[in-house]
Amino acid sequence: EIVMTQSPATLSVSPGERATLSCRASQSVGSNVAWYQQKPGQAPRLLIFGSSARVTGTPARFSGSGSGTEFTLTISSLQSEDFALYYCQQYNAWPLAFGGGTKVEIK
Amino acid sequence: QVQLVESGGGVVQPGRSLRLSCAASGFTFSSYGIHWVRQAPGKGLEWVAVIPYDGKSERYADSVKGRFTVSRDNSKNTVYLQMNSPRVEDTAVYYCAKEGQWLVNWFDYWGQGTLVTVSS
Repeated sequence: EIVMTQSPATLSVSPGERATLSCRASQSVGSNVAWYQQKPGQAPRLLIFGSSARVTGTPARFSGSGSGTEFTLTISSLQSEDFALYYCQQYNAWPLAFGGGTKVEIK
Repeated sequence: QVQLVESGGGVVQPGRSLRLSCAASGFTFSSYGIHWVRQAPGKGLEWVAVIPYDGKSERYADSVKGRFTVSRDNSKNTVYLQMNSPRVEDTAVYYCAKEGQWLVNWFDYWGQGTLVTVSS
């Protein structure tokens, strides 16, 4: 089975700064990676699929990149509402798998 | 608008049974697979199971295979997760989620979740 590893576990960033979140797959998943944002007490919200395609409603400051085994979610200029947990997910093979998450917190 | 509403959570003793429901609206239910994803308290997301649009060829995580069964009733726009012989480690918030594209397994809509606590 494919294991998704996210780093760092916690990222401390000041508002307005750039945040770079990493996700590594234990074997190639092509571009079949999605990113989700989760805030306390809420369900996850889809941000990006296909490694880099933003869903309707995802602000342009969020961008995804990567293929194969290395993926990145970049938030170009952090806003107050972006401080949250972020998960990557591979959907290239069964069983589907999520990374352990990166918490983006206020520095 | 698309809505997914889970119900059926609660406290269940180890080894007993519980059935969760996911009622869907706002889209052509019979055209999309529905997944169950869970989140243990303070932990990350874990994919649990999927039932495709036609109710055939469901799949499960190894951690629940043989104990949980997913089914759907397209006439009621509802998916079910039958949890047999639950274990303490099955304690989690259970979300149902809709596949984003036909047969492509990212999740564009999620329910609000239902908490299942397995405890004696």
